Amino acid sequence: EADIYQTPRYLVIGTGKKITLECSQTMGHDKMYWYQQDPGMELHLIHYSYGVNSTEKGDLSSESTVSRIRTEHFPLTLESARPSHTSQYLCASKRGYEQYFGPGTRLTVT
Amino acid sequence: LAKTTQPISMDSYEGQEVNITCSHNNIATNDYITWYQQFPSQGPRFIIQGYKTKVTNEVASLFIPADRKSSTLSLPRVSLSDTAVYYCLVGPRDYGGSQGNLIFGKGTKLSVKP
Repeated sequence: EADIYQTPRYLVIGTGKKITLECSQTMGHDKMYWYQQDPGMELHLIHYSYGVNSTEKGDLSSESTVSRIRTEHFPLTLESARPSHTSQYLCASKRGYEQYFGPGTRLTVT
Repeated sequence: LAKTTQPISMDSYEGQEVNITCSHNNIATNDYITWYQQFPSQGPRFIIQGYKTKVTNEVASLFIPADRKSSTLSLPRVSLSDTAVYYCLVGPRDYGGSQGNLIFGKGTKLSVKP
């Protein structure tokens, strides 16, 4: 079983607040990913990292930013949350050809 | 990266075998075919990966014809708990970097009924 964690699992926050979604993995994987998924819709890659100090934007434009200071930690930050950011955010890490996903953070911006 | 096409949804009954077919006409020589399963409110989970012919594990079988332009995920004797979205992905085995990242697409929503 993969060890990848996301906190918080659920977050309801007001417009304009700064938020950070946490993602950690204990498997020592170099490659990590953030996806955004609306209910019943497809996953969209918004950020990825191939190692420490390496971050790239994904296929879907996002106002969020990420950092990778440590191998095990890949947080995602929204400087000013808006209702359009309401979605589920999934973090994943990868070893070889298999991606391991965290449980996700369901974000609601009011 | 090769584009994939799979049915939007499928219905089945408990105990039946379910076959989900994925088309990938532009598959490259070094591409593998990978399937993921996603339950509601959870992240996707790896099911199986193959390159050609047949691959079987404790969860599913993957059939890939010689021309590799399609593949079929086979779930034996499904139960209600197999209700999920199934994604077919095609790309290099160790994707990432200059080779790009795999695209999950819309997947196939499988509904298993009693």
